[in-house]
Amino acid sequence: KQEVTQIPAALSVPEGENLVLNCSFTDSAIYNLQWFRQDPGKGLTSLLLIQSSQREQTSGRLNASLDKSSGRSTLYIAASQPGDSATYLCAVSLGGYNKLIFGAGTRLAVHP
Amino acid sequence: GEEVAQTPKHLVRGEGQKAKLYCAPIKGHSYVFWYQQVLKNEFKFLISFQNENVFDETGMPKERFSAKCLPNSPCSLEIQATKLEDSAVYFCASSQYSSGDYEQYFGPGTRLTVT
Repeated sequence: KQEVTQIPAALSVPEGENLVLNCSFTDSAIYNLQWFRQDPGKGLTSLLLIQSSQREQTSGRLNASLDKSSGRSTLYIAASQPGDSATYLCAVSLGGYNKLIFGAGTRLAVHP
Repeated sequence: GEEVAQTPKHLVRGEGQKAKLYCAPIKGHSYVFWYQQVLKNEFKFLISFQNENVFDETGMPKERFSAKCLPNSPCSLEIQATKLEDSAVYFCASSQYSSGDYEQYFGPGTRLTVT
């Protein structure tokens, strides 16, 4: 059974720091991995999707890497800002239109 | 539309009452997914559809929960005889293969409170 774990569960940092959020999964036979952001009381915003054949994806200050063989992904946030404060979730899919299996998220607080 | 729409935003039901939630996928998306988010961000997959056909229902509770996606209508998730433990936020997502991706796009959710 695929399980997804995210470390740390919570993180509080001063503005400007570079951050690394970690995601691990138990079954390396994934199809893709998505990173999401969730603001309190809101839905999910997709940040990055990495296909199993890819090693990384970048969008602005965000960079996500994938090491499928070791069952790990990291989300790197450069020069963090208070507006980055949210919960970050990673989710894996075992097939193109298969369900997403989520981690429990990392709650990030960036203070001025 | 360009976004997944969910209604209502909030729903309050007494224990034992029926609850019905609606989801309009992004236009052109043929796959619809329902997820339940309970405390501490735990997301649980419920069911998915390819057009009006059930694609995967492995997460769907066998009793009390049902779902439909009918042509030219919003998809729906119905809970008969709600229980306290059904209190959660229910998210709908839609997907369609595009540019090599099967990205799922999520709606804003429906918060169900069972009292």
